[in-house]
Amino acid sequence: QITLKESGPTLVKPTQTLTLTCTFSGFSLSTSGVGVGWIRQPPGKALEWLALIYWDVNERYSPSLKNRLTVTKDTSRNQVVLTLTNVDPVDTATYYCAHRLLTSGSYWRYFDYWGQGMLVTVSS
Amino acid sequence: DIQLTQSPSSVSASVGDRVTITCRASQGISSWLAWYQQKPGQAPNLLIYAASALQSGVPSRFSGSGSGTDFTLTISSLQPEDFATYFCQQAYSFPLTFGGGTKVEFK
Repeated sequence: QITLKESGPTLVKPTQTLTLTCTFSGFSLSTSGVGVGWIRQPPGKALEWLALIYWDVNERYSPSLKNRLTVTKDTSRNQVVLTLTNVDPVDTATYYCAHRLLTSGSYWRYFDYWGQGMLVTVSS
Repeated sequence: DIQLTQSPSSVSASVGDRVTITCRASQGISSWLAWYQQKPGQAPNLLIYAASALQSGVPSRFSGSGSGTDFTLTISSLQPEDFATYFCQQAYSFPLTFGGGTKVEFK
């Protein structure tokens, strides 16, 4: 059974760096095709895709955040870490990590398992 | 970036109603579209992928159609647990993008 869970600070001050950890089970990020995405959702608003990290060295980022965003993986600990620098109140959102859909041996850019989400507030 | 426009932004319906939600892409995306359901305080739940493929475990009253720029999510007979917000997502190209959402409310 696949599960994911986000962890990290719930309150961050403007200009600081936000670091969130996604700890997962039921799959391995060393398996070919596997990917983990990050998506966020400001309160009462729509979803925004942030990044997707693959089993190999490839990563994809939202262009609007690429200069501030880094995603890394620790395969041995089954974790993916999101780092967002120079945060602003507009970065206040629930942050989700999610597993890339796999069907009959095909991997897709959709997300079938999600973490419960973590609300991060940026405020002084 | 590919923009996804959902309509309506909200719809009032009753149990048993047929509900249709539309998602329009700013450029052609073939069939690279998914639909998610989100209830308050919960993570999104994948319903439909590749425009019309029903995700495992999702009731058959949910269906998706369309290709190119125009897509539809249909709930054939609305059930009490279907009152939620629905989002579309394109997977044709990066950055992946989501629609603004459609809230299905009690009439």
